[in-house]
Amino acid sequence: EDQVTQSPEALRLQEGESSSLNCSYTVSGLRGLFWYRQDPGKGPEFLFTLYSAGEEKEKERLKATLTKKESFLHITAPKPEDSATYLCAVEGGGADGLTFGKGTHLIIQP
Amino acid sequence: NAGVTQTPKFQVLKTGQSMTLQCAQDMNHNSMYWYRQDPGMGLRLIYYSASEGTTDKGEVPNGYNVSRLNKREFSLRLESAAPSQTSVYFCASSDRGQPQHFGDGTRLSIL
Repeated sequence: EDQVTQSPEALRLQEGESSSLNCSYTVSGLRGLFWYRQDPGKGPEFLFTLYSAGEEKEKERLKATLTKKESFLHITAPKPEDSATYLCAVEGGGADGLTFGKGTHLIIQP
Repeated sequence: NAGVTQTPKFQVLKTGQSMTLQCAQDMNHNSMYWYRQDPGMGLRLIYYSASEGTTDKGEVPNGYNVSRLNKREFSLRLESAAPSQTSVYFCASSDRGQPQHFGDGTRLSIL
């Protein structure tokens, strides 16, 4: 059974204060690890896909990395508009569909 | 630029009532999915359809049925709603190996 654990559950940062979110996973035959952003009252919005250990992807202030057991979402010099819940999910070699973690609720204070 | 459209956005039902949640995508994706999101639980897969004419159970299928009406549309039906089905329901679509794209959800309350 695929499992995803995200930490911390919640994180409050000052504007400009860099940090990292963690996603630990166990999966049978990783097809992809996905990061999403979810704003209140909205559906998850796709950010990154990582397919193999050592891979990195960047977009503005966000950078996602992947090892064989975990992924990190690094946030550099965040702004208040980066406040959201960040979700990690894996797609394994078994049945279709994603297995999600519970998310990290990120608040960036001005 | 619609993407994935879900209707209705909000619904309140009484225990035992039935209803169908509708989902349509305009990205010509082969696969479509239904998830539910509950506080402290994360998103969980209810049913999915890998292609037109096929459907399969996910992690939490009990109490639900689905229909893949055509390539664009995938509906979720609650035959006899129960309070435990109070949740936010999300539909998603993708092609195999590609990121799933989500709608903005249906917020369902069952009294």
